[in-house]
Amino acid sequence: KQEVTQIPAALSVPEGENLVLNCSFTDSAIYNLQWFRQDPGKGLTSLLLIQSSQREQTSGRLNASLDKSSGRSTLYIAASQPGDSATYLCAVFLSGNTPLVFGKGTRLSVIA
Amino acid sequence: NAGVTQTPKFRILKIGQSMTLQCTQDMNHNYMYWYRQDPGMGLKLIYYSVGAGITDKGEVPNGYNVSRSTTEDFPLRLELAAPSQTSVYFCASSPRGASTDTQYFGPGTRLTVL
Repeated sequence: KQEVTQIPAALSVPEGENLVLNCSFTDSAIYNLQWFRQDPGKGLTSLLLIQSSQREQTSGRLNASLDKSSGRSTLYIAASQPGDSATYLCAVFLSGNTPLVFGKGTRLSVIA
Repeated sequence: NAGVTQTPKFRILKIGQSMTLQCTQDMNHNYMYWYRQDPGMGLKLIYYSVGAGITDKGEVPNGYNVSRSTTEDFPLRLELAAPSQTSVYFCASSPRGASTDTQYFGPGTRLTVL
């Protein structure tokens, strides 16, 4: 059974710092992996989707990498800002009509 | 575009009551999903639909029912509410399946069963 783990569960950094969030998954036969952002009391917003054939995706200050063979993905946030404070979740998709499997998330606080 | 809208935002139910959580999307997406998120946990899929008239169970369907009579609407029905159904419920939609498309989420419904 696919399991997704995110470490750390919470992270607090000063504004301007570069940071890395980690996601690991147990079954490397994934089709794709997504990173989402969730603000308190709100729904999820998709940040980046990486297909299994890709190594990384970039959007602005965000860069997500995928190493399928080792079952790991990282989300790199450059020059963090207080507005980046949120919970970041990763989710993997295997195939067909299987559901997305979500991690529990990393709660990020960027301190001004 | 409004995207995915959910009503109500909050609800308190007594054990044994029933209710319907409403979900509407205006993006003409074929796929729609219902998830629940328990505190400190990831999301779990309850039911999904690949088009009007077609629904299927997800990981945690027990105690819930869905219908999809139109492309836009995907209501979730709770029968005989139980404390274990206390959670935040999210509806999501996507143009095609998860192999190609990300999902667009509504703001959620926070349900408490006492």
